[in-house]
Amino acid sequence: SQELEQSPQSLIVQEGKNLTINCTSSKTLYGLYWYKQKYGEGLIFLMMLQKGGEEKSHEKITAKLDEKKQQSSLHITASQPSHAGIYLCGADIYTGNQFYFGTGTSLTVIP
Amino acid sequence: NAGVTQTPKFQVLKTGQSMTLQCAQDMNHEYMSWYRQDPGMGLRLIHYSVGAGITDQGEVPNGYNVSRSTTEDFPLRLLSAAPSQTSVYFCASSYDGMTGETEAFFGQGTRLTVV
Repeated sequence: SQELEQSPQSLIVQEGKNLTINCTSSKTLYGLYWYKQKYGEGLIFLMMLQKGGEEKSHEKITAKLDEKKQQSSLHITASQPSHAGIYLCGADIYTGNQFYFGTGTSLTVIP
Repeated sequence: NAGVTQTPKFQVLKTGQSMTLQCAQDMNHEYMSWYRQDPGMGLRLIHYSVGAGITDQGEVPNGYNVSRSTTEDFPLRLLSAAPSQTSVYFCASSYDGMTGETEAFFGQGTRLTVV
């Protein structure tokens, strides 16, 4: 079973375009993490959100946790080839120390 | 800072062989966990530990054993490897679980192939 649904599964965008990746849970999220994984490499921490309505930005990447804490979005502005990779959301859904990941979104940025 | 160190980075096993994936962290984190990453399945939790001497099962624990004798180390054991265990394995640690209050750190991964 997939506790966290990510959409879309893959994205191909032209350099300079904006894009959004969504992460949805059927249960309340107790902390939501976003990671980036370059192909064949480990996970790179992007940011974490804890409070409903919280929004964080780092360079051209912005993530938000909705008020009901059941969905998060990751938005990239003016995408660059360096943004390419797999984006993963992760969350503690049950507050029982069981941390789940979404299936990931593969992003390709065409120069 | 070493962070989370996983060894080995690559491993090929024959069906039925046993091996241990090592994970060590030097940040004095209480919480450590193991995941496997498979195409189309994302990362799935295998086992986790909230402190030395305490372990528990995650989403896909079958075929794997863990122990936590020290705060620093959290090895993952495959007692009898099967082709279905071919995957990329990640170890993670954080100060107090994965609640979003503190950052979680991941190792670089171990790519395991069982033939």
